[in-house]
Amino acid sequence: DTAVSQTPKYLVTQMGNDKSIKCEQNLGHDTMYWYKQDSKKFLKIMFSYNNKELIINETVPNRFSPKSPDKAHLNLHINSLELGDSAVYFCASSARRRAGELFFGEGSRLTVL
Amino acid sequence: EDQVTQSPEALRLQEGESSSLNCSYTVSGLRGLFWYRQDPGKGPEFLFTLYSAGEEKEKERLKATLTKKESFLHITAPKPEDSATYLCAVQGAGNMLTFGGGTRLMVKP
Repeated sequence: DTAVSQTPKYLVTQMGNDKSIKCEQNLGHDTMYWYKQDSKKFLKIMFSYNNKELIINETVPNRFSPKSPDKAHLNLHINSLELGDSAVYFCASSARRRAGELFFGEGSRLTVL
Repeated sequence: EDQVTQSPEALRLQEGESSSLNCSYTVSGLRGLFWYRQDPGKGPEFLFTLYSAGEEKEKERLKATLTKKESFLHITAPKPEDSATYLCAVQGAGNMLTFGGGTRLMVKP
């Protein structure tokens, strides 16, 4: 059983389109995250979310928005896609008291043409 | 702003040739330093947490150590299956993780 699963694994789309990536975790964790990994392999936090608090990295454009229907899901919506949004997006989760011990999904590679 | 620098960017070893990866950091109020392994096309996999200078953790051929300015990941007698990118991250007072750029390790048989 996959602990953190995200879909789709690949997205190819045109500039200006809107897209979503879904994420689900079955670990019972209370905090979920979205990370972006660019072509140089740097992982950067985009959002941290638990049922009480959303923390947004201030460098993330407001075209990106997380939506959590329940504790086990955190989806990422991206509006008006730009070329620079091309990257691999990782969903992750952690237990509250072990915030540095993240469990990552396999990533969703977004290519904007 | 928290910063993490990993070196070298890439490391090629022969099977059995021990070596170390470096992670230098600056952070306000270190809450933890973390090592992850990332295989191509996969998400990072958690390896170790270190909380304070002098602490060491071991797992199979890997040993992580921590000082006030850097952490080392020592790889003893590596095997080809140890080939991966190793990522270091720090958690500061802000609670978020800041990752380094990783060291890509290639172990040849």
